Amino acid sequence: GNSVTQMEGPVTLSEEAFLTINCTYTATGYPSLFWYVQYPGEGLQLLLKATKADDKGSNKGFEATYRKETTSFHLEKGSVQVSDSAVYFCALQLTGAGSYQLTFGKGTKLSVIP
Amino acid sequence: NAGVMQNPRHLVRRRGQEARLRCSPMKGHSHVYWYRQLPEEGLKFMVYLQKENIIDESGMPKERFSAEFPKEGPSILRIQQVVRGDSAAYFCASAQGEGYEQYFGPGTRLTVT
Repeated sequence: GNSVTQMEGPVTLSEEAFLTINCTYTATGYPSLFWYVQYPGEGLQLLLKATKADDKGSNKGFEATYRKETTSFHLEKGSVQVSDSAVYFCALQLTGAGSYQLTFGKGTKLSVIP
Repeated sequence: NAGVMQNPRHLVRRRGQEARLRCSPMKGHSHVYWYRQLPEEGLKFMVYLQKENIIDESGMPKERFSAEFPKEGPSILRIQQVVRGDSAAYFCASAQGEGYEQYFGPGTRLTVT
């Protein structure tokens, strides 16, 4: 089956620290990969995505590279801000599967302190 | 352009009652997905609907749960005879078409007492 494993939180960083949240996946086909962010009391927002191997998704200073050889899609940011405090979800979607449902990891809570 | 709307945002039901969760997709979107987030878990897919059709319900529990997306009006997720294990956050997402980006609503937090 399809699954996503991401590093457990919570993660607490000081402002301007470097962020890495690890994500690995198992899929029966060739997935598209996503990072979603959930701020307190809100729904999920798409942060970035990559649709094929070696693609790099980027947005708001966050980056992730689709690594087929290691089945990974780690999220990175060079300098985090307090406003980045949220829960981050890694997800995959099989294309051409008819349903296009998303398969999520458990989420990693990030707290950034001033 | 309003986003995906869900109501109620919070719902409390006693065991054995029925819960109805509503999802209004973004304007122009005719595809709706429902996901459930149990405590300390990621979101799990439940059902995928297009207007008047259930496309994939492989994630729905076999009993007590049903979903619809009528030609007019919001999508409804219905849970009959709720039990404590149904307590969770239920999110819907809408999309413009197959394979298009899914936009999520703020969720309905169901508590069963």
